[in-house]
Amino acid sequence: NAGVTQTPKFQVLKTGQSMTLQCAQDMNHEYMSWYRQDPGMGLRLIHYSVGAGITDQGEVPNGYNVSRSTTEDFPLRLLSAAPSQTSVYFCASGGSGGYTFGSGTRLTVV
Amino acid sequence: LAKTTQPISMDSYEGQEVNITCSHNNITTNDYITWYQQFPSQGPRFIIQGYKTKVTNEVASLFIPADRKSSTLSLPRVSLSDTAVYYCLVGDMRGGYNKLIFGAGTRLAVHP
Repeated sequence: NAGVTQTPKFQVLKTGQSMTLQCAQDMNHEYMSWYRQDPGMGLRLIHYSVGAGITDQGEVPNGYNVSRSTTEDFPLRLLSAAPSQTSVYFCASGGSGGYTFGSGTRLTVV
Repeated sequence: LAKTTQPISMDSYEGQEVNITCSHNNITTNDYITWYQQFPSQGPRFIIQGYKTKVTNEVASLFIPADRKSSTLSLPRVSLSDTAVYYCLVGDMRGGYNKLIFGAGTRLAVHP
């Protein structure tokens, strides 16, 4: 049972490039979400999904897209990377109880 | 979503009991209180969740007074490995999910 798997663990992008951060869970959870965490700060919610085909915006959605075609996968797309998007990105899944977080993707935009 | 207020940082020593209090004055009837722990370079880890009175598990206890406007996370006999950031979150659990909004958390440092 892997829980929540995020790939890649590290990524360096040039300004303007696009990329997709992958998130997969094997716990059959309906709810999944993406957060970013800047150095020394708390987590901020980017987007979330309450089931396949359903997504919604969180606190800081600008510059990011998501889709949920299956229960297992919830990819986060950066459309045109900017230095302000340098951060650690966490994916989480869960239900009415506690949520399980992935180990994060450390993204640097130069 | 109810806003939470908790101390920015706390210090303790090994073997002591640590109590972290969180204020959530605007909590509503449908809100639950959840605590998470985060170590450096890792994602947050669920610790405990409660609605009222007291909840205890193998890791911690959560005390919630009758008015539910605050809650206290109690960590018994802390060790160096309990050094982490602790987040208090309050959210509506209807529909089986909670759109978690994190605050700044409490940075706990446990000293030898």
